Parts: sequence; C-alpha cells; structure tokens
Amino acid sequence: QSVLTQPRSVSGSPGQSVAISCTGASGDVGGYNYVSWYQQHPGKAPKLMIHDVTQRPSGVPDRFSGSKSGNTASLTISGLQAEDEADYYCSSYAGAEKWVFGGGTKLTVL
Amino acid sequence: EVQLIESGGGLVQPGGSLRLSCAASGTTLSGYWMNWVRQAPGKGLEWVSRIKSDGTITTYADSVKGRFIISRDNAKNTLYLQMNSLRVEDTALYYCAQSDWFDPWGQGTLVTVSS
Repeated sequence: QSVLTQPRSVSGSPGQSVAISCTGASGDVGGYNYVSWYQQHPGKAPKLMIHDVTQRPSGVPDRFSGSKSGNTASLTISGLQAEDEADYYCSSYAGAEKWVFGGGTKLTVL
Repeated sequence: EVQLIESGGGLVQPGGSLRLSCAASGTTLSGYWMNWVRQAPGKGLEWVSRIKSDGTITTYADSVKGRFIISRDNAKNTLYLQMNSLRVEDTALYYCAQSDWFDPWGQGTLVTVSS
C-alpha cells in the first residue's frame, strides 16, 4: 500500500486559514469518498476531525472542513487558533478492506 | 465515556513474538470493524490490520502479512494482535481504533524490537 502524499509542514498566523493537501491515486482517494483527517498533538493519540471527505464529528469546531477533487483531498482550517498547532494525517480506503494513511503534516501557528 | 485500552507491548528480540490486546469500555466492539494502526518513533501513522465485526474477514498491510494475526473475542469485548517473527522495523506504538472512521483511538502500547 502506498502512502498518501501530504506536505511536510504548513504554517499560518492566528485568524488566518490554511489548507493541507492529501494526494493519492484512483485506487484510493480518487476512487472512494472515504477520506478522513486526524489531529495529533505531541504524546497524544490521534483524534478524528473529518470523515467521509466532508463530515465533521460532533464536537469538532466548524472551523475544520474537508473537500476532495480527483485524487487530492484537502483539510481547511479557518480562523487558526494556537491550539490547532499539531500534526495532521489523512487516511483513505484503498479497496479490499485495506486503508492507507498520509505521511503527516506539521501545522505551526505563528 | 468510550475508552480503548491497549496492553501487551514490551521489549522483544528480533524473531520473537508478542500478543497485543485492546480492551473496550463504554462501548461494545461487536458492532464494529476494528483496526490496528502503528506509529514508529517520530514517524507517521501506518495502518496494520483490520477485522470485521464478526471476525469473518481480516486484512493486513503487506508489511505484516503472514507474520501478524488479528482476532477478536466479542464476548470479552477485546481485540487482539498476535505478532510473530518480529523485526526491528516493527518497533512502534501500536494503537487500536474503532470503526471505518478510526474513532476512537486507544492511547497505544509500545513495542520495541531490539537485540
């Protein structure tokens, strides 16, 4: 299984918006609407932020949104806050009950 | 509150075996697919294995296929990962995660493979 491609790092100032991309292939991101995003603070377990490309679980601020175009999914965080600083990972269904994760993106809030 | 609690990690020599467990509280695992995901020190997340709610379907990442076996005991509300022929590159924090959405996650159990 191939790793989905994410930028190693992104940054933004408080109040700004940032987008994190997740590029896969037709066999994973492009073929299914089963892309999820996870937030991981240092020393903590990942937390689900978005599932099924655009769906936000209860309790996740509406500043977090997801989208997909072709083989690339994106997580957009608007109105950046200091507590958003974390690592973010995407995942996608890859067929035959297999899943794949992205390499992770470190978000720095300046 | 839903909690997944992993256990069974530790230090093992290359070629050795370990059995990880993931016990659930506040939720019933029986209705969900369950997953194991690992994270090597300082690295990203890697999906390892998955098992259907009734245990009839199991899948594995190529990196562990033929060496790891996922299983579950719904009566005990517990998920397992039998890890055989361990390699240095299997060193990681192993998480269990519930459902297709990988939500929630446990806190992980550390497996260190070293001589």
